[in-house]
Amino acid sequence: EVQLVESGGTLIQPGGSLTLSCAASGFTVSSKYMSWIRQAPGKGLEWVSIMYRDDRTFYATSVLGRFTISRDNSRNTLYLQMNSLTAEDTALYYCVRGEMANNVDHWGQGTLVTVSS
Amino acid sequence: DVLMTQSPLSLPVTLGQPASISCRSSQSLVHSDGNNYLSWFQQRPGQSPRRLIYKVSTRDSGVPDRFSGSGSGTDFTLKISRVEAEDVGIYYCMQGTYWPTFGPGTKVDIK
Repeated sequence: EVQLVESGGTLIQPGGSLTLSCAASGFTVSSKYMSWIRQAPGKGLEWVSIMYRDDRTFYATSVLGRFTISRDNSRNTLYLQMNSLTAEDTALYYCVRGEMANNVDHWGQGTLVTVSS
Repeated sequence: DVLMTQSPLSLPVTLGQPASISCRSSQSLVHSDGNNYLSWFQQRPGQSPRRLIYKVSTRDSGVPDRFSGSGSGTDFTLKISRVEAEDVGIYYCMQGTYWPTFGPGTKVDIK
């Protein structure tokens, strides 16, 4: 069974840094397209970043230069390093899997990041 | 980025009756490989989204056949043939032909 379990979300001050983790089971993260999608409170969905099977990475313009997606194959875990956080980054962050690029076939339950002083 | 719009944004429906959601993109979603990478997601209250349909009309495993998708280019539609109580939620279209973007969502509830 495919499972994605996010962790690391918390309340953090503007300008701070945070790393989210996504522990995967039921498949290997290196064999799929792995992404982070976020949903601000009461708002819609925004694709944040994607990591291809060949290690290429892509980012939304809103986070380019501040966020870094990575994975640890030995831990079968996906990460999202977030720097220079602002209130606009406040959201529920979902770890998602795609069997093809730019798509999603499984979602995690999400981890909440709140940026506030 | 490709702008996705949906209509209506709110859809009160009667149980057992059909429902239809329109999704339009600011650019054609026809990929160089000939596919339209348009998906539909359902987000029930308090839950993570779940994909229902991908590549316009292919239903995911376990999705009831009362859900169907159609369209091409810039105009797409999700239809529910007979709405059931478990269909309440927000429905999002998403394009993956370019950098992925979602529509604003259509809230479906029971009259």
